[in-house]
Amino acid sequence: GQQVMQIPQYQHVQEGEDFTTYCNSSTTLSNIQWYKQRPGGHPVFLIQLVKSGEVKKQKRLTFQFGEAKKNSSLHITATQTTDVGTYFCAGYPRETSGSRLTFGEGTQLTVNP
Amino acid sequence: DAGVIQSPRHEVTEMGQEVTLRCKPISGHDYLFWYRQTMMRGLELLIYFNNNVPIDDSGMPEDRFSAKMPNASFSTLKIQPSEPRDSAVYFCASSPGRWTEAFFGQGTRLTVV
Repeated sequence: GQQVMQIPQYQHVQEGEDFTTYCNSSTTLSNIQWYKQRPGGHPVFLIQLVKSGEVKKQKRLTFQFGEAKKNSSLHITATQTTDVGTYFCAGYPRETSGSRLTFGEGTQLTVNP
Repeated sequence: DAGVIQSPRHEVTEMGQEVTLRCKPISGHDYLFWYRQTMMRGLELLIYFNNNVPIDDSGMPEDRFSAKMPNASFSTLKIQPSEPRDSAVYFCASSPGRWTEAFFGQGTRLTVV
């Protein structure tokens, strides 16, 4: 079945440093989504990328979707303590008619002030 | 809209007991997902429904787990009998259409002792 992998599993940074998490799918995706989960909270949708090679920005966050639609990345510039949480990528497989949304393992980000 | 509503928020039960988790999706959403989150296995998709019909239940761990969606505004996930290894946070999520963003409920933290 479809697998979505993320690295790294954990990332500790000093406030002001940059952060990047990478996502890889075993199958081609129809789209890639990113979610953020704060400690003790629930996943909250951040963004969706649909097109091959697409790049989107949200303030200090930059999201990329690979040309083959199998990988993606999230980059945060100049992290702040409010960025703390676990970042998940999630994707729908393109090859089926279903709508199975599979999540990666997540990257847990901690930011030291 | 109040978002996806799950109940109870916390459940502590003894091994062997039946547990029922409840979810009210966002009105008008066609898809409903049940996920289980643990440290070891991350966010696992258990089952999802489209227009109240179960589409993919391949993630349901075993026959002790069952899920129903009797109407568009209500779904249940039942575990009978429960076991300590079922302890996890169970999330319900809904989405408005195929391949769209998922809106998560607050989750039910289940502890089986």
